[in-house]
Amino acid sequence: DTEVTQTPKHLVMGMTNKKSLKCEQHMGHRAMYWYKQKAKKPPELMFVYSYEKLSINESVPSRFSPECPNSSLLNLHLHALQPEDSALYLCASSQDSLAVTDTQYFGPGTRLTVL
Amino acid sequence: AQSVTQPDIHITVSEGASLELRCNYSYGATPYLFWYVQSPGQGLQLLLKYFSGDTLVQGIKGFEAEFKRSQSSFNLRKPSVHWSDAAEYFCAVGALDNDMRFGAGTRLTVKP
Repeated sequence: DTEVTQTPKHLVMGMTNKKSLKCEQHMGHRAMYWYKQKAKKPPELMFVYSYEKLSINESVPSRFSPECPNSSLLNLHLHALQPEDSALYLCASSQDSLAVTDTQYFGPGTRLTVL
Repeated sequence: AQSVTQPDIHITVSEGASLELRCNYSYGATPYLFWYVQSPGQGLQLLLKYFSGDTLVQGIKGFEAEFKRSQSSFNLRKPSVHWSDAAEYFCAVGALDNDMRFGAGTRLTVKP
């Protein structure tokens, strides 16, 4: 099973809402990632979790709050977002974040619209 | 930091024709290079990757790529394109801390 699942597929939220994105993998991977992809742009790395600890934070605003409750789950909590945060949010996982040679497997993404 | 340039924003080829997508990278050390494909509204799928060894790399779906250190290039090729190959293609370079940087992407359109 090489699948990374993400829920929900689509999310529309207001600027005062609090919502969460969920990512799950059952491949035994110990590294998980959040990327943000604006329309017609490449994915941009936001966070990397390695062995359930945050190892990379690419200076993401605090209105995005990641959480890794266990090795299979990765959440992204959203609060007080801005319309410019509307994007496709991609989750990925790999065997070991310290080994760039490990393939990153991507989920289908959550399409977020902030009104 | 590493970076990737994909010079072609959009390419159109006829079904059955050959394809070459260009990728140039900038990185001070040995690069770790990847090609990903993304269908509309979908996540990314790895086509192939290069770390070391043979500079011609075979991937899935009949794709191959050639690493040329002298030209800092990692171009993707396919001898005969199928309509299902229409998608966005991203070249990426990775560093040892697994900070992966993607190129801007090349959108492939396949004419019948």
